[in-house]
Amino acid sequence: AQSVAQPEDQVNVAEGNPLTVKCTYSVSGNPYLFWYVQYPNRGLQFLLKYITGDNLVKGSYGFEAEFNKSQTSFHLKKPSALVSDSALYFCAVRSNAGNNRKLIWGLGTSLAVNP
Amino acid sequence: DGGITQSPKYLFRKEGQNVTLSCEQNLNHDAMYWYRQDPGQGLRLIYYSQIVNDFQKGDIAEGYSVSREKKESFPLTVTSAQKNPTAFYLCASTGGTSGHPSTDTQYFGPGTRLTVL
Repeated sequence: AQSVAQPEDQVNVAEGNPLTVKCTYSVSGNPYLFWYVQYPNRGLQFLLKYITGDNLVKGSYGFEAEFNKSQTSFHLKKPSALVSDSALYFCAVRSNAGNNRKLIWGLGTSLAVNP
Repeated sequence: DGGITQSPKYLFRKEGQNVTLSCEQNLNHDAMYWYRQDPGQGLRLIYYSQIVNDFQKGDIAEGYSVSREKKESFPLTVTSAQKNPTAFYLCASTGGTSGHPSTDTQYFGPGTRLTVL
């Protein structure tokens, strides 16, 4: 079965410190991986995606993510956290098998950046 | 501006009443989706449509209905059969901008918060 796990419900980090939000996945075929951010009472905003190529993907607002095939992980990172990064972060995956447009979603990780 | 709009932003429903949530996109996207979001449960797929006049049930379709008569519009009706409809509802779409639909990015509307009185 295809699945996505975000093992931490909440991550706390001090402003200016590096942050990591973890994501692991399980799919048949090659994975297409996505990160989204959601601010309170808003829709999800796309941050970045991995399709193929370089394992380090750079996205919006200074975020990046590293695809690790052997560990089936796609952790989101930022070198220096801002208070405004505090939000809910979702990881999602699709398989490249077939004409499938459905995304499999993680349950989300709440990031709190403390001033 | 291109994008996805949802209306209303807030909606209140009485017991036994059907309500319809609007979702419109001007991105020329083929596929559209409806999700339900509850605290701690992530996003759960209600219905999706990959082309006009066609749609499929998602993981939690019971108590909901949709139509896709136009490419731009994908309204969701929450019927009285949905026993616990209070939630945040999100509409999304994807377009055929890249070589394989699995690589397409899903874009979201701002959401509708439905509350049962």
